[in-house]
Amino acid sequence: DQQVKQNSPSLSVQEGRISILNCDYTNSMFDYFLWYKKYPAEGPTFLISISSIKDKNEDGRFTVFLNKSAKHLSLHIVPSQPGDSAVYFCAASATGGSQGNLIFGKGTKLSVKP
Amino acid sequence: DTAVSQTPKYLVTQMGNDKSIKCEQNLGHDTMYWYKQDSKKFLKIMFSYNNKELIINETVPNRFSPKSPDKAHLNLHINSLELGDSAVYFCASSQGGPNGVFGPGTRLTVL
Repeated sequence: DQQVKQNSPSLSVQEGRISILNCDYTNSMFDYFLWYKKYPAEGPTFLISISSIKDKNEDGRFTVFLNKSAKHLSLHIVPSQPGDSAVYFCAASATGGSQGNLIFGKGTKLSVKP
Repeated sequence: DTAVSQTPKYLVTQMGNDKSIKCEQNLGHDTMYWYKQDSKKFLKIMFSYNNKELIINETVPNRFSPKSPDKAHLNLHINSLELGDSAVYFCASSQGGPNGVFGPGTRLTVL
């Protein structure tokens, strides 16, 4: 019973182009969403988040879009850089959520080619 | 000056053994967590501790027990290891919010 789904296990993008990573969720109680980035042999690192009261949050090259009606969020990276190559995890939390309430997707491995 | 550290990084052991994984955070966070990333790559919460009190205990086997000697440490003890316990275990800490800081992970292999 996957409440958070990342249906693309991998994505390959050319340097300088846009990377779009997608995430779908099933639980309508989720009200806070996060993206984590993970390099090999390291723990996940928080990247960007969005509350359900917003539909967009931007931080430098990273933008997260939330479509509540579709229960879908996406992470846009523009322009993509080779250093962005990593596994990206989508995570969601319900009302009053804390780190311990996060539900993670399986991750999408992004490869940015020079 | 690592924020969240775990030892050991790799752990290979035989079925039936008892092992521990240590975690320390120097961020002054109130809450610490243990996650398990299984072979299917799902990252799932196992435990969390807030000021030495267990506040979340997911349906993990009672062979797993968290021990927190102080606010900066949350160790994971595993008794009678089984093949299915092979996974990467991540420690994390946070100050209430959901954007916690993770440790580098401990890859446990049970033979």
